[in-house]
Parts: sequence; C-alpha cells; structure tokens
Amino acid sequence: SQELEQSPQSLIVQEGKNLTINCTSSKTLYGLYWYKQKYGEGLIFLMMLQKGGEEKSHEKITAKLDEKKQQSSLHITASQPSHAGIYLCGAGTLSNTGKLIFGQGTTLQVKP
Amino acid sequence: SAVISQKPSRDICQRGTSLTIQCQVDSQVTMMFWYRQQPGQSLTLIATANQGSEATYESGFVIDKFPISRPNLTFSTLTVSNMSPEDSSIYLCSVEMGGRETQYFGPGTRLLVL
Repeated sequence: SQELEQSPQSLIVQEGKNLTINCTSSKTLYGLYWYKQKYGEGLIFLMMLQKGGEEKSHEKITAKLDEKKQQSSLHITASQPSHAGIYLCGAGTLSNTGKLIFGQGTTLQVKP
Repeated sequence: SAVISQKPSRDICQRGTSLTIQCQVDSQVTMMFWYRQQPGQSLTLIATANQGSEATYESGFVIDKFPISRPNLTFSTLTVSNMSPEDSSIYLCSVEMGGRETQYFGPGTRLLVL
C-alpha cells in the first residue's frame, strides 16, 4: 500500500525565516494535496499538484512536485506567526476513487 | 470553493451510546468522504458516502459501527455506534470538487468518549 513520509515531524523557526517541508511517497503520486490544520480544527486546502515538475504558489507558500512524481516540497518564505500549524500532505490513489492517503503531518511553530 | 458545515462541532459522550454527525455542503457534490483523526495521528478514510446507495467502507471500518447516510448531493451523516473511549477522535467530512482538483474538508467534529 502507498505510504507518505513527511519530514521534518516538527519545526521551530524564527519569524522571517524560510522553511521547507518534504513529503515523500513510496509510489507514484496521483495528485498531491497540501493542507494546513490548526490544532483540533479542520483542514484548510492550500494547493494541489498533479503533473511532474509542477510548481504552484499562493502568497508566501510555494509547493513543488518532482519530475518522478514521488516527492513534493512545501516552501514558506519569510515565515510569520500566522503560518504556525500542522501541515499535511495527502495523495490520491491509482484507483482514482477520490480517496486520499495522508502523511503524519509536520508541526510548525514560528517564534515572534 | 465549497462551504462545509458539521454538527455538532464537539461532544462528550458516554460509552455504549451513539452519536450522529451531520455534514452539510453549500453546493451539490458527487463525492463525499468521512475521515477520522485519532489524537496525535493523521487522517484515515472511514468511507465514501454514495448518494442513493450504500457507503463504501475502507478496510477496518464496518457499517454496523459507522452507518452512513447520503440522502442527497449536499448532505450526509455519520453515526458512531456503541461508542468506546477508543472512538475519541476528530471526525471530518470532505467533498471533492473540480474533478479531483480540490478536496475540501469540513471543520470537524471533536468527540470525546468517557
């Protein structure tokens, strides 16, 4: 079965610093979704990548999917306290049923 | 985008009882899903809620424990039956829009079973 590995598991950065979160799959990714979750709350959709080499940006967050479609990275530029939360990557499956498999999440703290 | 609401937002229940969680979407969607997030864990799909037919359950989840209804294209319910403390989790519904382009999640229902 497909598994998603996120790294690092947790991250503490100083406000204004850049950071990168990685998501690696054991199999080819059929759609890679990035979400942000505040503690105990629902998921906020950030971006979805589908094509090898694809890159998308929204405000200060950029996500990339590698050419082999087995790894994605989420990069935050000039981090702010509002970026704090849990970042989750989710992947579609070959069966294309809409089901998503999630990584274990990366907890980000941004120190003012 | 879709606006998704869930009721209740949180509840504390006694073991052996059942709780029904509602998920309402502001537009018609084909695919609706129910996920569980146990404390400190990531999300696990419970089932796909199919409109007009029985839900499709993932391995490890059964209809007797998690009955699901999907009476129309904007609404679904998940019941957690005969609850035990192990059922304490956040339960989230999600909907797919734009043909796999996006999958939006509701705010979640935080359940504590004593």
